[in-house]
Amino acid sequence: RKEVEQDPGPFNVPEGATVAFNCTYSNSASQSFFWYRQDCRKEPKLLMSVYSSGNEDGRFTAQLNRASQYISLLIRDSKLSDSATYLCVVNPGISNMLTFGGGTRLMVKP
Amino acid sequence: NAGVTQTPKFRVLKTGQSMTLLCAQDMNHEYMYWYRQDPGMGLRLIHYSVGEGTTAKGEVPDGYNVSRLKKQNFLLGLESAAPSQTSVYFCASTYPGGSYEQYFGPGTRLTVT
Repeated sequence: RKEVEQDPGPFNVPEGATVAFNCTYSNSASQSFFWYRQDCRKEPKLLMSVYSSGNEDGRFTAQLNRASQYISLLIRDSKLSDSATYLCVVNPGISNMLTFGGGTRLMVKP
Repeated sequence: NAGVTQTPKFRVLKTGQSMTLLCAQDMNHEYMYWYRQDPGMGLRLIHYSVGEGTTAKGEVPDGYNVSRLKKQNFLLGLESAAPSQTSVYFCASTYPGGSYEQYFGPGTRLTVT
């Protein structure tokens, strides 16, 4: 079983739609959680951190459920520029180490 | 401030050839990492370094060696390339503690024929 699992997609949605991705992690000792964004043929970049209380950054909302060991990302009012791969990333309890999921591909259509 | 840079950007090797990938960062970060990314596999850690002169194995270290002679540079070597090493290689860096955000270079696309 992979440590961090994501549905690879692709998720094809029209502009303006709301879309949600989930991610599950297997290590219950995991301490920190993130969503990274990766554009086609580019490097990953941090999108947002995920806190137990949930956090919001504009159109993006991230949630963490420690009991069920899953993380979610909600994107409201999708834009064409949101088309990318979204990587679920977990710190497994070891300082400065990250475990990456395989990514979920989002394609926003006009 | 260039951030994290990688050279070369692209390379084609024949089986058995050797090469070195160079990663450089100008953010004075202590920690540096080498990952490989294959379709559907996510990023997998090859080797990492927590400071100048130190290196450690990651999840998939076989067939690779690394060196961190200077704080700003982290080199990844392939002594005898194999087709299974065809991949995109990313270097990343960060500072101890903090938010655990890692800063990535633009990647090196390597094909081994």
